[in-house]
Amino acid sequence: GESVGLHLPTLSVQEGDNSIINCAYSNSASDYFIWYKQESGKGPQFIIDIRSNMDKRQGQRVTVLLNKTVKHLSLQIAATQPGDSAVYFCAEKGLTGSARQLTFGSGTQLTVLP
Amino acid sequence: GAVVSQHPSRVICKSGTSVKIECRSLDFQATTMFWYRQFPKQSLMLMATSNEGSKATYEQGVEKDKFLINHASLTLSTLTVTSAHPEDSSFYICSAPNLETQYFGPGTRLLVL
Repeated sequence: GESVGLHLPTLSVQEGDNSIINCAYSNSASDYFIWYKQESGKGPQFIIDIRSNMDKRQGQRVTVLLNKTVKHLSLQIAATQPGDSAVYFCAEKGLTGSARQLTFGSGTQLTVLP
Repeated sequence: GAVVSQHPSRVICKSGTSVKIECRSLDFQATTMFWYRQFPKQSLMLMATSNEGSKATYEQGVEKDKFLINHASLTLSTLTVTSAHPEDSSFYICSAPNLETQYFGPGTRLLVL
């Protein structure tokens, strides 16, 4: 079936370096994607979103890139800080059942090294 | 951004008791809310969709008599875990959509002894 998944389950980066977290999706009809950050013991926190009519969107220290040709989504975090350590999920707006449902990837654990 | 709250944040109960978890959208109205369950180091698993004014929609494999959902108002949905057992111990998270984005509550950690 259709799914959203991540290439890397874990990622370690040095403090101050840039981080890139990747996500592959298989449903070419998806038109809306969200990145969430989840710290231990907390609910997912919205980071940034992007619609399929865009290739890139920037926020504060974060950039999301969308490559529809290869169905790939990435989250770039600039100057990674210790507070960025968390699990990052990409999510795709579901097209079955409720139009508002989200399908989540498996998540990437980002660890920022001192 | 939109804020979603959950209560309680943590609950410990004895096996066989029922536990109610509340989910509230604080600064927006939500005719639909979602309930997820998350096991350690795993992704979120959608359990059910809570609909204001109508019955909840449950995902395959989720027992509706076990997990009772009531969407009492445009800002409140409740999940009741009935006759809880140790295997129900988990992290339960709700979310509510505001425009196209879903906003999540802080989660409720349930431990059934």
